[in-house]
Amino acid sequence: EAAVTQSPRNKVAVTGGKVTLSCNQTNNHNNMYWYRQDTGHGLRLIHYSYGAGSTEKGDIPDGYKASRPSQENFSLILELATPSQTSVYFCASGTWGYEQYFGPGTRLTVL
Amino acid sequence: GDSVTQTEGLVTLTEGLPVMLNCTYQTIYSNPFLFWYVHYLNESPRLLLKSSTDNKRTEHQGFHATLHKSSSSFHLQKSSAQLSDSALYYCALSDGIGANTGKLTFGHGTILRVHP
Repeated sequence: EAAVTQSPRNKVAVTGGKVTLSCNQTNNHNNMYWYRQDTGHGLRLIHYSYGAGSTEKGDIPDGYKASRPSQENFSLILELATPSQTSVYFCASGTWGYEQYFGPGTRLTVL
Repeated sequence: GDSVTQTEGLVTLTEGLPVMLNCTYQTIYSNPFLFWYVHYLNESPRLLLKSSTDNKRTEHQGFHATLHKSSSSFHLQKSSAQLSDSALYYCALSDGIGANTGKLTFGHGTILRVHP
């Protein structure tokens, strides 16, 4: 059974619209992460969280917000989506041992 | 800040030949941890290897890598490539200090394509 799940798996949004990407983990990990994956850039960290109620800015947070309402759930929010945010988004969970467990990804297209 | 540099772009190999994907890093911290993650098509990225102590080799699933602090490197190697090794490979760095965050810096990734 998948320990990190993401929804939706595919999303088409319009420029200026609001998009929410959801992530759920059953690993009971304190830490959760949101990345985007782009050719030529690899995986880049957008936001991360140490636990319920906490969110921290990663390396490329501009244009994104995050929410961690519980240990299991971590959302990424694009308040005003732009075409430059077209990408594949990965959520991951992890603990002090540094290994991160990734979800299946969400392919977002902003038109 | 921290950075990771990998072999650029695409590496194409014939099955049976040795694999070497380069990874070098920059960090101000004296005890970094290095990782290789593998991302197969239509799957999630997952951990392949993580570094041990300086100059010690780590192995998993036929792949191996050695952390060399003197040259800031953690190259991924395999003696004989298989078709199933075709994937996107990421080298990643943790400064070791942020233990509670587990925050990683990833390289840009190297696509390995193995053909018959």
